[in-house]
Amino acid sequence: NAGVMQNPRHLVRRRGQEARLRCSPMKGHSHVYWYRQLPEEGLKFMVYLQKENIIDESGMPKERFSAEFPKEGPSILRIQQVVRGDSAAYFCAGRGTTDTQYFGPGTRLTVL
Amino acid sequence: GESVGLHLPTLSVQEGDNSIINCAYSNSASDYFIWYKQESGKGPQFIIDIRSNMDKRQGQRVTVLLNKTVKHLSLQIAATQPGDSAVYFCAEWGSGSARQLTFGSGTQLTVLP
Repeated sequence: NAGVMQNPRHLVRRRGQEARLRCSPMKGHSHVYWYRQLPEEGLKFMVYLQKENIIDESGMPKERFSAEFPKEGPSILRIQQVVRGDSAAYFCAGRGTTDTQYFGPGTRLTVL
Repeated sequence: GESVGLHLPTLSVQEGDNSIINCAYSNSASDYFIWYKQESGKGPQFIIDIRSNMDKRQGQRVTVLLNKTVKHLSLQIAATQPGDSAVYFCAEWGSGSARQLTFGSGTQLTVLP
């Protein structure tokens, strides 16, 4: 997890609210991946971004979910009108020029 | 669809013994595999990787073996220590332009004193 930051670490939302998760990859890493992990399961790919561009969003639900990675600032995963089924741990990973992805500590989202 | 799966959900070993964690994959086009360790409440930590043109790769106390014939991957941990207790995931690096990781469901390794 060296250098990859995610915040908040824990986020509690009520149904219908918006959740905004932030990820700052290591310096110089321009590729960002978002994954979702349910309890006792593996990580599931959601979206792959490279500075200002969405490269692959095949794992992200078409409704309510969006992601961005602006030229300046962190990558943001946004979930609108959250439902209980959105409760999970969300991890981002950064990558530089090699294939190795370095993961952040995750954001644990709880929807009440 | 293509998937990466694990043979056993849990593994308990005595401290000092060797551990072997297995993984089966189904995408014969995959060319890169990674093992991650995930401790409770933390993100996955890279352990070791291997490319499809190799059969074996060694790190510090860890060895990854790749058998492409039967599409099987294993992680061997020598002299297992209490700090090795965690969930271990194998992940497959997708081919093509997408280059996304597909994770298996994980094996919980518990090191007994």
